Amino acid sequence: EVQLVESGGGLEHPGGSLRLSCAASGFAFSSFAMNWVRQAPGKGLEWLSFISHTSGAIFYAASVKGRFTISRDNAKNSLYLQMNSLRAEDTAVYYCARQYCSDTKCSFDFWGRGTLVTVSS
Amino acid sequence: DIQLTQSPSFLSASVGDRVTITCRASQGISSYLAWYQQKPGKAPKVLIYAASTLQSGVPPRFSGSGSGTEFTLTISSLQPEDFATYYCQQPNTYPYSFGQGTKLEIK
Repeated sequence: EVQLVESGGGLEHPGGSLRLSCAASGFAFSSFAMNWVRQAPGKGLEWLSFISHTSGAIFYAASVKGRFTISRDNAKNSLYLQMNSLRAEDTAVYYCARQYCSDTKCSFDFWGRGTLVTVSS
Repeated sequence: DIQLTQSPSFLSASVGDRVTITCRASQGISSYLAWYQQKPGKAPKVLIYAASTLQSGVPPRFSGSGSGTEFTLTISSLQPEDFATYYCQQPNTYPYSFGQGTKLEIK
């Protein structure tokens, strides 16, 4: 059974840092690209970052570029999001999501349950 | 960047109704579009990818169509468990993007 479990969320002050983790199991983690998506309270989904299966390709949304860093450790079946210079508007539930592509047509076919990040003084 | 605009943002319907949600892209995206369902407090679940391909395990009352800039998600006969929020997504061109969501409520 595919499982993605996020951790590392919590309360942080503006300007602070947090590192989120996503532990993957039940599939060949090293074969899949992964993404981070967030959802602010009562709001819609916002894509944040992509990392290819080899870490050779990495992309970010403009809202987090230069502040957040995505990485992965295929030996540990884990995905990470290092979040620096946190702002109040970063308050959200953060999801990791597996990207599955069939003949270049892709979707996020498995998601974790999310971890809540609250940025407040 | 590619913007996705869903309509309507809110939809009130009854069990058994046929409903359609539209997603318009700010530029052509061929058939690179996915649809997700999200229930309160839960992670999104993929329903449709490649604009019209039903994800394994998703009931056939869900269908998707369209290409280029206009796409639709149709639920042929609403069931009680279908009341949720639906999002379209383009997962092909960076930055990836989601529509703002359509909340489907019980009339």
